[in-house]
Amino acid sequence: AQSVTQLDSQVPVFEEAPVELRCNYSSSVSVYLFWYVQYPNQGLQLLLKYLSGSTLVKGINGFEAEFNKSQTSFHLRKPSVHISDTAEYFCAVTSADRGSTLGRLYFGRGTQLTVWP
Amino acid sequence: DSGVTQTPKHLITATGQRVTLRCSPRSGDLSVYWYQQSLDQGLQFLIQYYNGEERAKGNILERFSAQQFPDLHSELNLSSLELGDSALYFCASRRGTEKHGYTFGSGTRLTVV
Repeated sequence: AQSVTQLDSQVPVFEEAPVELRCNYSSSVSVYLFWYVQYPNQGLQLLLKYLSGSTLVKGINGFEAEFNKSQTSFHLRKPSVHISDTAEYFCAVTSADRGSTLGRLYFGRGTQLTVWP
Repeated sequence: DSGVTQTPKHLITATGQRVTLRCSPRSGDLSVYWYQQSLDQGLQFLIQYYNGEERAKGNILERFSAQQFPDLHSELNLSSLELGDSALYFCASRRGTEKHGYTFGSGTRLTVV
């Protein structure tokens, strides 16, 4: 099985500042990694995903994440945040077992990003 | 609109009652996953169906059950409800393998009073 640890439950930041949301995972097999965002009273929306190849992954809304296999990390970054980025962010992992029809997502506990003016 | 439809959006019911939550996956998606989101437990995987068959079970209570119908919509049945069952219940669907990603519905907020 896999597990995910999001190291910060809350991250406050001022508008236009850079931000990094930290995520570490644990797995005995290769994994696929995801970041989802949840705005208030809404469902989860996919920000970006790492499947293979380049370790730097770019997503929507100017977010990017870097996969570091040796440190088992997948931190999410944005160089300049906006107030509209205020939301909860979830890191998730699933097994990369080839062709699996299973593949449930294991989620971290989430990081609440609050952007102040 | 993500393409995954969950109904109802809100549900308020009393302890001891039974409710049914419905999920219509995105067109063409064969896999359906149910998750429970609560403040104390976070996002917990409940159960997965693939093309009508149960494929994996997570932290699903015996009072809960689910099924996926031939048209691929799924229902989550919660019975003998307790206050602690109050949560946001999400359905997600997926096309093919993990690479294709998961699409979540907007959830059903269940309040047990």
